Amino acid sequence: AQSVAQPEDQVNVAEGNPLTVKCTYSVSGNPYLFWYVQYPNRGLQFLLKYITGDNLVKGSYGFEAEFNKSQTSFHLKKPSALVSDSALYFCAVRDGTSGSARQLTFGSGTQLTVLP
Amino acid sequence: GAGVSQSPSNKVTEKGKDVELRCDPISGHTALYWYRQSLGQGLEFLIYFQGNSAPDKSGLPSDRFSAERTGGSVSTLTIQRTQQEDSAVYLCASTGYSNQPQHFGDGTRLSIL
Repeated sequence: AQSVAQPEDQVNVAEGNPLTVKCTYSVSGNPYLFWYVQYPNRGLQFLLKYITGDNLVKGSYGFEAEFNKSQTSFHLKKPSALVSDSALYFCAVRDGTSGSARQLTFGSGTQLTVLP
Repeated sequence: GAGVSQSPSNKVTEKGKDVELRCDPISGHTALYWYRQSLGQGLEFLIYFQGNSAPDKSGLPSDRFSAERTGGSVSTLTIQRTQQEDSAVYLCASTGYSNQPQHFGDGTRLSIL
């Protein structure tokens, strides 16, 4: 079984300040971790992923995330937030072990609002 | 096409009617997924197709839900005898190799009156 927790339904941050959106996960095998962003009335857009290698992953639009195996976390970060970053963010996990099911398990989402 | 295409973008129907939702994945992608996003909630996995293998139907919530994928490309999700709790956004995604990210369509917003 696999699960994702996004403990904050809402995150507010001032433009220009750093932002963090939290995610913790549970998976029995090798974690493949993903962050997606969703704008109103749109599908999910891929931001970044962790499969293997460096724990710090850099993605689209200046976002990055750090994989922490001991804390089973994969928090999304950005050094300087933009108003246009305001959207709904989803963390997702799947078991990367060969032969495991490939569907993603998503967190409940975090609404990020960047205030001008 | 350039991305995953879903149709219709919006569907309003009466309780008890059947509906069909269509997904056209990215060309060459072998895997196709259907998810459901209910208001204020995350995404719920419904069904997964991989090449010519039997689909993983473990997420379908009831036998009113079914899906098929013809020729390894276009997929249709069918909901029979719709209920009000079926109201949601139905999202389709596709991917190629196993560690590639899933690419999502814009979804079909289904409203059951």
